[in-house]
Amino acid sequence: EPEVTQTPSHQVTQMGQEVILRCVPISNHLYFYWYRQILGQKVEFLVSFYNNEISEKSEIFDDQFSVERPDGSNFTLKIRSTKLEDSAMYFCASSESQRGWYEQYFGPGTRLTVT
Amino acid sequence: GQQLNQSPQSMFIQEGEDVSMNCTSSSIFNTWLWYKQDPGEGPVLLIALYKAGELTSNGRLTAQFGITRKDSFLNISASIPSDVGIYFCAGRVCERKYGNKLVFGAGTILRVKS
Repeated sequence: EPEVTQTPSHQVTQMGQEVILRCVPISNHLYFYWYRQILGQKVEFLVSFYNNEISEKSEIFDDQFSVERPDGSNFTLKIRSTKLEDSAMYFCASSESQRGWYEQYFGPGTRLTVT
Repeated sequence: GQQLNQSPQSMFIQEGEDVSMNCTSSSIFNTWLWYKQDPGEGPVLLIALYKAGELTSNGRLTAQFGITRKDSFLNISASIPSDVGIYFCAGRVCERKYGNKLVFGAGTILRVKS
């Protein structure tokens, strides 16, 4: 069964450093998303991406964040200058077009620890 | 912004029991999704609902899209130990300003009674 994959599974970085989180969405999906989950809290929407551009973003997704689809398979989230409060699980998700738009399938997540 | 109130926050189950949880909001939703998350993993989609009143099953799981479009419930019948985990409702608000993003509830933690 096709699935969303994410790398790395765990990333430790120092405050102020840049990190890039990588995702490979399900191959025939056209919509891509990043979500964040701070430990013990609910999943929060960050950004959605369609047709090579951001279609929607939340208040959390400020200028420190950017997303890119550098090739036909990868989808990345970059945090330019990490802060302690960026420590969280980051989930990538993807969905098909048409009716399946809202059936978003999540990857296993990357645990980001900022020290 | 819009919020989903999910209850209960946690519950203990005994094998064989039926379990029920729900999500409510003051906003109208046009899509409800139910996910399960195991520790250290991503949410796994269980059921998707698209129409008010819709009742959909996936094995021992049954979910309904409330007729008012402001709520949804999930039932698990005859629970088994592997049902433990965190269950999240998520929905898409039917208001243009909220776009197409999913809003998540805070989760219901299912634990096993010892």
